[in-house]
Amino acid sequence: QLQLQESGPGLVKPSETLSLTCTVSGGSISSSSYYWGWIRQPPGKGLEWIGSIYYSGSTYYNPSLKSRVTISVDTSKNQFSLKLSSVTAADTAVYYCARGKVDIVVVPAANWFDPWGQGTLVTVSS
Amino acid sequence: DIQMTQSPSSLSASVGDRVTITCRASQGISNYLAWYQQKPGKVPKLLIYAASTLQSGVPSRFSGSGSGTDFTLTISSLQPEDVATYYCQKYNSASLTFGGGTKVEIK
Repeated sequence: QLQLQESGPGLVKPSETLSLTCTVSGGSISSSSYYWGWIRQPPGKGLEWIGSIYYSGSTYYNPSLKSRVTISVDTSKNQFSLKLSSVTAADTAVYYCARGKVDIVVVPAANWFDPWGQGTLVTVSS
Repeated sequence: DIQMTQSPSSLSASVGDRVTITCRASQGISNYLAWYQQKPGKVPKLLIYAASTLQSGVPSRFSGSGSGTDFTLTISSLQPEDVATYYCQKYNSASLTFGGGTKVEIK
């Protein structure tokens, strides 16, 4: 059964870079049928897609975050990672990684997500 | 960008009631819509994709319908374990957007 697990610091200072890694187990990150995504949820609020990556390294980002986001993949470790720069308190959230299913052949990054990792709370504070 | 609007934002219903949640897209998205359930303190769980396809293992009291701009998630007989917030998500393009959520409570 595929499982995803987020890891990284739970506290980041304002203006610094948030870095998280998602480790995939029970399956290969190099499958042609899936993208791998990051989604976040501020406390008490809704879900926001951050971006997604294919095993080849192809990426898509939320336009509202694009200038600050970098997502990368390490197929040798079955991991993908998120970097979000210049963070502020507004970036405080639970960050989830998830597997995105390729549902539209001509738009492979158009995904729904299943399963999700357990999520990790990242607080931005000095 | 296409916006996803859910209504109502919250509802309270009795056990056994039929519950309907609506998700409206600001532009047509064909049937590229998913629904998720997030129980309090838990991880979001996929319920439905392609607007009406039930994910494996999801109880049959959940159903989805719609195409274009208007979609619905229906719980045919509300159960106590269905207390959760429900989110829609459009995926007709590589720009993915979630609705604001609908919180379902038991009356």
